[in-house]
Amino acid sequence: ILNVEQSPQSLHVQEGDSTNFTCSFPSSNFYALHWYRWETAKSPEALFVMTLNGDEKKKGRISATLNTKEGYSYLYIKGSQPEDSATYLCAFARYGNKLVFGAGTILRVKS
Amino acid sequence: NAGVTQTPKFQVLKTGQSMTLQCAQDMNHEYMSWYRQDPGMGLRLIHYSVGAGITDQGEVPNGYNVSRSTTEDFPLRLLSAAPSQTSVYFCASSYRGTSNTEAFFGQGTRLTVV
Repeated sequence: ILNVEQSPQSLHVQEGDSTNFTCSFPSSNFYALHWYRWETAKSPEALFVMTLNGDEKKKGRISATLNTKEGYSYLYIKGSQPEDSATYLCAFARYGNKLVFGAGTILRVKS
Repeated sequence: NAGVTQTPKFQVLKTGQSMTLQCAQDMNHEYMSWYRQDPGMGLRLIHYSVGAGITDQGEVPNGYNVSRSTTEDFPLRLLSAAPSQTSVYFCASSYRGTSNTEAFFGQGTRLTVV
């Protein structure tokens, strides 16, 4: 059974703070790593799909890095805003296998 | 373009009742899947389908049935509801099932079994 760990479980920051979360996954037979943003009462939405070691992706103030050899990915949010409050999910897959999700990091941004 | 549509959004069942959660997508995606989300746990895969007429079990399939008669629809059937099936259920679709394309999720069905 694949294990995907996300840390921290939750995070409370002030508006304007920058923050980052970690997703740890098995380093063998890596195929893809996904990040999703899930707001309360809405459906999870994809932020990034990453497949190459050393990948860095960016969308506005949010960016992600990937290290497949050591089995981790970081998600960064620069200058957090209240609208960034959500649960951030990562999911890992080996080729031909299905996504395995972590439990998520809950972010709350206070104005 | 509606994306992935799930119905109902909320449902309360009595133990032993059966029901079907509906899921439809209009993106012509090959791959569809059902997940359940429980507090403190990640999304867990119940069943999935790589195309019309093809389904397979995921991580937690017991107590659930699926079928895929069309590309668009992927209903999830609870055969005899149990309190352990109280959860939030998400349907998702993606262009391919090889896990390197993003998944599109429905808005979820919150199910309570009493």
